[in-house]
Amino acid sequence: NAGVTQTPKFRVLKTGQSMTLLCAQDMNHEYMYWYRQDPGMGLRLIHYSVGEGTTAKGEVPDGYNVSRLKKQNFLLGLESAAPSQTSVYFCASSYGIEGGREQFFGPGTRLTVL
Amino acid sequence: SQQGEEDPQALSIQEGENATMNCSYKTSINNLQWYRQNSGRGLVHLILIRSNEREKHSGRLRVTLDTSKKSSSLLITASRAADTASYFCATATGGGNKLTFGTGTQLKVEL
Repeated sequence: NAGVTQTPKFRVLKTGQSMTLLCAQDMNHEYMYWYRQDPGMGLRLIHYSVGEGTTAKGEVPDGYNVSRLKKQNFLLGLESAAPSQTSVYFCASSYGIEGGREQFFGPGTRLTVL
Repeated sequence: SQQGEEDPQALSIQEGENATMNCSYKTSINNLQWYRQNSGRGLVHLILIRSNEREKHSGRLRVTLDTSKKSSSLLITASRAADTASYFCATATGGGNKLTFGTGTQLKVEL
């Protein structure tokens, strides 16, 4: 099993450009998440999904959109990139059991917006 | 806003010593989890403790949870150089098993 994979690993954008980050998991997990990690701030939740066709906002959703058309994939889009979106983006997934289960993380995407 | 705050922010110890990291949080939780992150890598789950549990062990790891003080601690015994990493606590609240992470403790274990 590959676990959670993210594409691309690195990307440099100019202000105003758009891009989509792809997350894929092969563990049949119901729940999927997108986080961003900035120096000294830990991880912050951007959006999440509790099942195919569903999405919900996290702590810092502004400037991002997401889609979960297939259970195994969770896409994060930046429509008009801004320098403030320079960060490392992590995708994660977990079983959909309320009360909690661990999350499995991808290796991250390092995004720089100039 | 960050739910968890960790203490200390950085910790440097010698191999074989024990390392203790503390986490405080603000609201009621479903569970609290600890993760490790090696430099430039994704997070790896270490241990999960539920709100009705007080202590949990996994190998060289020991986690305690005090819900009355809204705090948790992670103890790594007999540390090794390979334990050098950042350690994050994360609290699960509400639906969707959403996690709110602390700012992390950077642990350095020297030979």
